[in-house]
Amino acid sequence: AQSVAQPEDQVNVAEGNPLTVKCTYSVSGNPYLFWYVQYPNRGLQFLLKYITGDNLVKGSYGFEAEFNKSQTSFHLKKPSALVSDSALYFCAVRGGYNFNKFYFGSGTKLNVKP
Amino acid sequence: DSGVTQTPKHLITATGQRVTLRCSPRSGDLSVYWYQQSLDQGLQFLIQYYNGEERAKGNILERFSAQQFPDLHSELNLSSLELGDSALYFCASSKTGGEMGTEAFFGQGTRLTVV
Repeated sequence: AQSVAQPEDQVNVAEGNPLTVKCTYSVSGNPYLFWYVQYPNRGLQFLLKYITGDNLVKGSYGFEAEFNKSQTSFHLKKPSALVSDSALYFCAVRGGYNFNKFYFGSGTKLNVKP
Repeated sequence: DSGVTQTPKHLITATGQRVTLRCSPRSGDLSVYWYQQSLDQGLQFLIQYYNGEERAKGNILERFSAQQFPDLHSELNLSSLELGDSALYFCASSKTGGEMGTEAFFGQGTRLTVV
């Protein structure tokens, strides 16, 4: 069965500092990996995805993520955090025997302090 | 605006009742997904339809059912409602069923409160 884990419920970072939000996955075969962001009382917004190719994927709002097959991880990163980046971030995976299933992690709340 | 429309935005109903949530996917999207988001259980995958047919099932209760119509809109029916069904219900859509690693786009959600 496929699954995705976000080990940190919350990440705190100062504005201007680099940020990392962690994600690990478990899936048979090659995964398709995604990051989404959710602002209060809003739906999820797509940030970026990894399908194949370069392990470093660039997405919206200056975010990027690094796929690491040996560590089964797909961590979200940004070189310089903004207060407006404060939100709930979800990692998601498709893969295994049924690419139709689209599973999300439990979410990580990112707090960026001025 | 993602292009996915969910109605109603808010719904308050009593225990034991039945409600229907509606979702219109983005233009051209054939696949629709339903998710339940509650405080203690995160984002739970319920069910997925592709071009009118059920493609994948997640943790959907037997009291819940869904369908996708020929015009590709989808409805999620929740019956015999319990207090624990109170949650935010999201619909998402994507162009394909997932084989190409297609991302999904989410609606704003329907907040269901069961009293």
